[in-house]
Amino acid sequence: EAGVTQFPSHSVIEKGQTVTLRCDPISGHDNLYWYRRVMGKEIKFLLHFVKESKQDESGMPNNRFLAERTGGTYSTLKVQPAELEDSGVYFCASSQGGRPGEAFFGQGTRLTVV
Amino acid sequence: LAKTTQPISMDSYEGQEVNITCSHNNIATNDYITWYQQFPSQGPRFIIQGYKTKVTNEVASLFIPADRKSSTLSLPRVSLSDTAVYYCLVGDLAGQGGKLIFGQGTELSVKP
Repeated sequence: EAGVTQFPSHSVIEKGQTVTLRCDPISGHDNLYWYRRVMGKEIKFLLHFVKESKQDESGMPNNRFLAERTGGTYSTLKVQPAELEDSGVYFCASSQGGRPGEAFFGQGTRLTVV
Repeated sequence: LAKTTQPISMDSYEGQEVNITCSHNNIATNDYITWYQQFPSQGPRFIIQGYKTKVTNEVASLFIPADRKSSTLSLPRVSLSDTAVYYCLVGDLAGQGGKLIFGQGTELSVKP
C-alpha cells in the first residue's frame, strides 16, 4: 500500500511568486491534514479536510494560503504571493478511523523563499 | 490543551534501554497520550498511544502512572537507527478532529 506522497520534495522560489504543493493521501483516507514547520519552530497544524470539506482551517496563517481537496482525493496548498517567512517544511498527513491520534505523514515539501 | 514538557535531547548507546519522560500536569479527562517519532528528512511516524497504565507494542512501551500527569516512553535495546526526534502529544484527539499539537520533542542520539 502506497503511503502519503508529497510533491515536490523541494521548491525554491522568489518572494512574490506562487507555489503549489500537492499531497496524495493514502487511498480511502477521508481525513487529510496540512502541517508546517518553519525554521527553529515546532510543527504547527494548518488545516484539516474531511473528504472535500474543510473541517478546521484555524491554523492557516493568512489569506495568502489556499488549500483545496478536489473530489476528496488529493489536496493542494497554494501560497500566493510567497513571502520569506513562508519558508519551511510543509507536511501532509492522512487518517481513516482507527485511533484518533494515528495519522500517516508524507515526507514533506521543503519550501525556500528567497 | 495540555502543555507537555520533555527533555530537549538525550544520548544513549546501542543496546541500552532508553526512557523518555514527558510531563503533562494539566492533562484533561478526555486526553490521550500519543508518541511520534521523526527521522531526519521524513515526516513524523506514530509509535504508540495510551490512556492509562501500560501499553506495549512491537516498537515501544508506554508507562502512564495513575495520576496521568506524566508518561514514559521506553525503547528497549536501542540501535543506531533509533536516532530520531520523539514527540509526546497530549489531547482530546477525537474532540480535536485528530488535530495533532506538537511540542519541541526530544532529540535522541544513539551512539555505537
